Amino acid sequence: GAGVSQSPSNKVTEKGKDVELRCDPISGHTALYWYRQSLGQGLEFLIYFQGNSAPDKSGLPSDRFSAERTGGSVSTLTIQRTQQEDSAVYLCASSRDRGTGELFFGEGSRLTVL
Amino acid sequence: AQSVTQLDSQVPVFEEAPVELRCNYSSSVSVYLFWYVQYPNQGLQLLLKYLSGSTLVKGINGFEAEFNKSQTSFHLRKPSVHISDTAEYFCAVSDPDRGSTLGRLYFGRGTQLTVWP
Repeated sequence: GAGVSQSPSNKVTEKGKDVELRCDPISGHTALYWYRQSLGQGLEFLIYFQGNSAPDKSGLPSDRFSAERTGGSVSTLTIQRTQQEDSAVYLCASSRDRGTGELFFGEGSRLTVL
Repeated sequence: AQSVTQLDSQVPVFEEAPVELRCNYSSSVSVYLFWYVQYPNQGLQLLLKYLSGSTLVKGINGFEAEFNKSQTSFHLRKPSVHISDTAEYFCAVSDPDRGSTLGRLYFGRGTQLTVWP
């Protein structure tokens, strides 16, 4: 597609439920990133995939968070047993050139945990 | 790891006034520097970047930024703003010397620019 596509755009869930957020990067981009954006907190790095290398998971806040990237393309971020503090906008980005850090962002998935 | 400080969380200005959004980062031998803009209800998009060469970088929509290595700053400027520039602006740093985090961006907390008529 023309840009990074994320779904759902909005998700409301109850505390304790699991959620899955999907990201479809720009075709041909080898790097994929997940960030979390909370009000007044900027962008918090979560995880980074680059080609077939082991992902950089150093930003995942707890073991309730996991992500996978299938076939070097689509990625799914899973949050298990959601908590209210997980409420945020989850942003996905992809990059063609790992070295320069120039990222193309999706519009995000807004997660609200009640 | 890098840290990025955006000194102003909110900057209100009147239309056609000049504006400067400040950004400082923790020191490193070499860095790549970026400004991203997020318009209401939209994703982030790249405004400009510094990779090497001239320290004055020009971006889209009339914005420019100057890399100052001695002050570890990368302030964003525009000589005359428009109402359509109202958005949140994020400064970001990529540290190319840091192995597996080569492509990882460290973001500041953002500056909300509001332009009034």
